[in-house]
Amino acid sequence: ETGVTQSPTHLIKTRGQQVTLRCSSQSGHNTVSWYQQALGQGPQFIFQYYREEENGRGNFPPRFSGLQFPNYSSELNVNALELDDSALYLCASSPTGTGVEKLFFGSGTQLSVL
Amino acid sequence: KQEVTQIPAALSVPEGENLVLNCSFTDSAIYNLQWFRQDPGKGLTSLLLIQSSQREQTSGRLNASLDKSSGRSTLYIAASQPGDSATYLCAATNTGGFKTIFGAGTRLFVKA
Repeated sequence: ETGVTQSPTHLIKTRGQQVTLRCSSQSGHNTVSWYQQALGQGPQFIFQYYREEENGRGNFPPRFSGLQFPNYSSELNVNALELDDSALYLCASSPTGTGVEKLFFGSGTQLSVL
Repeated sequence: KQEVTQIPAALSVPEGENLVLNCSFTDSAIYNLQWFRQDPGKGLTSLLLIQSSQREQTSGRLNASLDKSSGRSTLYIAASQPGDSATYLCAATNTGGFKTIFGAGTRLFVKA
């Protein structure tokens, strides 16, 4: 157990809808990062938050946005869903996000867009 | 732009065999390199983390090495077991720790 929980575990949405995915980090972990993993591929970095501020972003459009809260929870929001957004979404937490610690991943949310 | 490649994409070995998984990265200005294990439909579990100043890390039957100058890392698994069957991913974190780039993984199947 990594101490990182994600909800929901599975989700089905229709193209054009909006979705919110949630992550609860380990207590004391000030950094959370989100990844998209398509079937058979490695996770792709979406963005990272440190103490409620975004401090790094991958090659994803602005319709992917996030929030981090003081209670170590965070959200990934995706607007105007497209079929290609179907993937496993993973969050990972670490104490400082400086690269000296391991990343602790949740089990992910499987999103299907129809 | 950092790119991480893993070879082979899939591997099937008999139980008890020692094996090596390979990872290469294009930008040597990394902060660390991590190896992860992923079971089907699950999240990732960090196995080993090698800081850029280190050359290897060991945990039980696992040993990971890092050669920044050549842009390579290897994961050595000794005396493989059926329970080792999973996908193994390597990931390079850039300087500053702001972004971790993953390879596509090596799917390992250990036959009993």
